[in-house]
Amino acid sequence: DAGVTQSPTHLIKTRGQQVTLRCSPKSGHDTVSWYQQALGQGPQFIFQYYEEEERQRGNFPDRFSGHQYPNYSSELNVNALLLGDSALYLCASSSAQTSLGPQHFGDGTRLSIL
Amino acid sequence: RKEVEQDPGPFNVPEGATVAFNCTYSNSASQSFFWYRQDCRKEPKLLMSVYSSGNEDGRFTAQLNRASQYISLLIRDSKLSDSATYLCVVNGRDSNYQLIWGAGTKLIIKP
Repeated sequence: DAGVTQSPTHLIKTRGQQVTLRCSPKSGHDTVSWYQQALGQGPQFIFQYYEEEERQRGNFPDRFSGHQYPNYSSELNVNALLLGDSALYLCASSSAQTSLGPQHFGDGTRLSIL
Repeated sequence: RKEVEQDPGPFNVPEGATVAFNCTYSNSASQSFFWYRQDCRKEPKLLMSVYSSGNEDGRFTAQLNRASQYISLLIRDSKLSDSATYLCVVNGRDSNYQLIWGAGTKLIIKP
């Protein structure tokens, strides 16, 4: 039973560049949430995708966008990267049938902006 | 006031001791509560859900106090491997879809 998988595991970019992070949800899950976790902080909710649409969004600028594919996998895109975007980006999957249930996380992508 | 607040610690506890920490939340309408564990530079892993009646899983006990709006986690007979950051998670104010995370409480178990 495959868990949540994310790629790449590490990424180094420079200011102004664009990045795409990828996530495949746990088998049987149809909902994907993205979080940004800075060092020493809890995860901050970016947005959630369900049925290929953004269902809920946290307090992040439009530079952060996403997509969900028919197979439930998802991408997080960040444009015009800033130094402050350096963080661990976590993808979590869940089932819409248990929307109040726990989420399961991938290993994350560690993004460093130089 | 933050929606979910935790004492950042660190809590330095000798092996075998019992340790407890709380997490307060601001949204009285919250319905879902969880404790996650996160090891250094790793992803959060679900430790346990927190139910209204309280629940126990081995050495771990979670309780919910709706009147005072806090949840607690008790760890008995602590092991060195319990050293981690414990994150409290509550479903958000505006939607059932958004989980709000505390910043975590760091626990260090000493031999």
